[in-house]
Amino acid sequence: DTGVSQNPRHKITKRGQNVTFRCDPISEHNRLYWYRQTLGQGPEFLTYFQNEAQLEKSRLLSDRFSAERPKGSFSTLEIQRTEQGDSAMYLCASSLGSLAGGFKGNNEQFFGPGTRLTVL
Amino acid sequence: AQKITQTQPGMFVQEKEAVTLDCTYDTSDQSYGLFWYKQPSSGEMIFLIYQGSYDEQNATEGRYSLNFQKARKSANLVISASQLGDSAMYFCAMREGPGGTSYGKLTFGQGTILTVHP
Repeated sequence: DTGVSQNPRHKITKRGQNVTFRCDPISEHNRLYWYRQTLGQGPEFLTYFQNEAQLEKSRLLSDRFSAERPKGSFSTLEIQRTEQGDSAMYLCASSLGSLAGGFKGNNEQFFGPGTRLTVL
Repeated sequence: AQKITQTQPGMFVQEKEAVTLDCTYDTSDQSYGLFWYKQPSSGEMIFLIYQGSYDEQNATEGRYSLNFQKARKSANLVISASQLGDSAMYFCAMREGPGGTSYGKLTFGQGTILTVHP
């Protein structure tokens, strides 16, 4: 399967614990996005990478959240000192963009299956 | 700031009938992209159709078409010949154009749950 993969698919943790999620984008995609989706809502943007550079972070991404994309391949999203309000589906998406910026075609974002986090 | 509004929390349609899901947007950008995604109960987001702001013709992809009315800032999704498998949550989303500093990320609406009855 050459789509976007995310691990784990489900994570249950106790409040105050740290959790880390992994996203493996489509191999040739240089852009990677993280979104958070709470029940009954649309996904909300968290952060964006172009290759290994984190170019944008949402205000939703508090200092307890950190994301990395070493070597411009897979990405990790870590949440420290989890709170019950962090319970959500965390979605990763990747797309192909030109190195100079702008768009290539529709630059469709391909989404992974998501990681559902439950904080008890 | 960009905003996407989907005013229909739920829609019902009879199998084989057509259905229109509404989406209005607000942006000050001249260049932007509009997307529709389907999210079944399993959770994955499935890309359906794309419309660029400068595209003169409405986008079509199989049974999906996008009724793009730029002056009204609306981008409604039309699904023809509905099938039982179309039952899902549908999201309209917008991407800011390349002129801005935040291009690439998608801003999503609240979604519309579509139920197809046999």
